[in-house]
Amino acid sequence: DVKVTQSSRYLVKRTGEKVFLECVQDMDHENMFWYRQDPGLGLRLIYFSYDVKMKEKGDIPEGYSVSREKKERFSLILESASTNQTSMYLCASSLYSDTEAFFGQGTRLTVV
Amino acid sequence: GENVEQHPSTLSVQEGDSAVIKCTYSDSASNYFPWYKQELGKGPQLIIDIRSNVGEKKDQRIAVTLNKTAKHFSLHITETQPEDSAVYFCAASIGRDDKIIFGKGTRLHILP
Repeated sequence: DVKVTQSSRYLVKRTGEKVFLECVQDMDHENMFWYRQDPGLGLRLIYFSYDVKMKEKGDIPEGYSVSREKKERFSLILESASTNQTSMYLCASSLYSDTEAFFGQGTRLTVV
Repeated sequence: GENVEQHPSTLSVQEGDSAVIKCTYSDSASNYFPWYKQELGKGPQLIIDIRSNVGEKKDQRIAVTLNKTAKHFSLHITETQPEDSAVYFCAASIGRDDKIIFGKGTRLHILP
């Protein structure tokens, strides 16, 4: 059974903190994605990676960075968390971007 | 860049009736069009997809149609059931090493 695992289901952080969201997939997929989900705005792409150490900006990369040192792990980093980054964060992986994407269960991040 | 518009944002249908959700995309190079269903507290899951070389695809009560000329694609759910209540997302992708862009989602309510 395919699996994408996000390290935390719920997270509360303070403004200015550095925050790491971790995502691991066990399907040997090439592509990995980070989205944020907000009411009325759907799924917006933050960053994606199609290979180890490769990263591409999505539609809303400002305030975020990513790391992909190993094929199975894709980390999202908030260098200095702000209240407008309070959101649901979803990680996904796919063999290629034109094949099925599998999502993690999401991390609900609250920045106070 | 690619843009995907989805309508309506909310849809209520009587149990047993049909539901239709429509999407348009901007990049004529897009060649893969998946549909995802998101239930409460879970990540989105693929329910059906279609590629640009096909005009229609059906899987039991779910069908997707694609009009490449008009850059439209639609999801059709027939004989709706209570378990169809969820948020549905359309998406489009250009190719193997590129991103998947999602619409803003449609919240479908099945009324008893």
